[in-house]
Amino acid sequence: KAGVTQTPRYLIKTRGQQVTLSCSPISGHRSVSWYQQTPGQGLQFLFEYFSETQRNKGNFPGRFSGRQFSNSRSEMNVSTLELGDSALYLCASSFNGAIGTEAFFGQGTRLTVV
Amino acid sequence: DAKTTQPPSMDCAEGRAANLPCNHSTISGNEYVYWYRQIHSQGPQYIIHGLKNNETNEMASLIITEDRKSSTLILPHATLRDTAVYYCIVRVYNQGGKLIFGQGTELSVKP
Repeated sequence: KAGVTQTPRYLIKTRGQQVTLSCSPISGHRSVSWYQQTPGQGLQFLFEYFSETQRNKGNFPGRFSGRQFSNSRSEMNVSTLELGDSALYLCASSFNGAIGTEAFFGQGTRLTVV
Repeated sequence: DAKTTQPPSMDCAEGRAANLPCNHSTISGNEYVYWYRQIHSQGPQYIIHGLKNNETNEMASLIITEDRKSSTLILPHATLRDTAVYYCIVRVYNQGGKLIFGQGTELSVKP
């Protein structure tokens, strides 16, 4: 079956702009989590959505937001981009996020803010 | 969430077993030990998880000490394609899809 699909793969934006990233989970998976990966901070949890509701949230400013649609597809939005937002953004899907229903990651979206 | 400590890097000869240690001395009774790996520029890949018994699957074996304060991931016959960063994570049963990644161990498998 198809894996986790993230679009676009690469993106270049200017400071102050906003960006929307998309994640299509594996069919049947209802939990979608987002992560930011940078060389300095490593892999950091942003938030998780389950059945269209945010279930967990990491320690990121309000400029980072997300949503999940009824088909489990998820988007994350970053407003007023800063240079420090340049990162690899990864999305992971799992059936329900519980133990035994493991997370499968997409290839990520590489965001560069100039 | 319990904190994990891993060596920053390790080398292993191709064909030999790679033993990756992880310390989680503050682990709680309801926390599981998970291992993921990330090959350069790809998303992390699930390897294995366990609570207190040793576990084995087609990829690796997980050995958890009796006091659960440390564990070892074993790749029995390492190949060059196993070169990656390996993350040891502890998580509670009901925390949903939230994973807290540490710095991991960069494993280099050499011919």
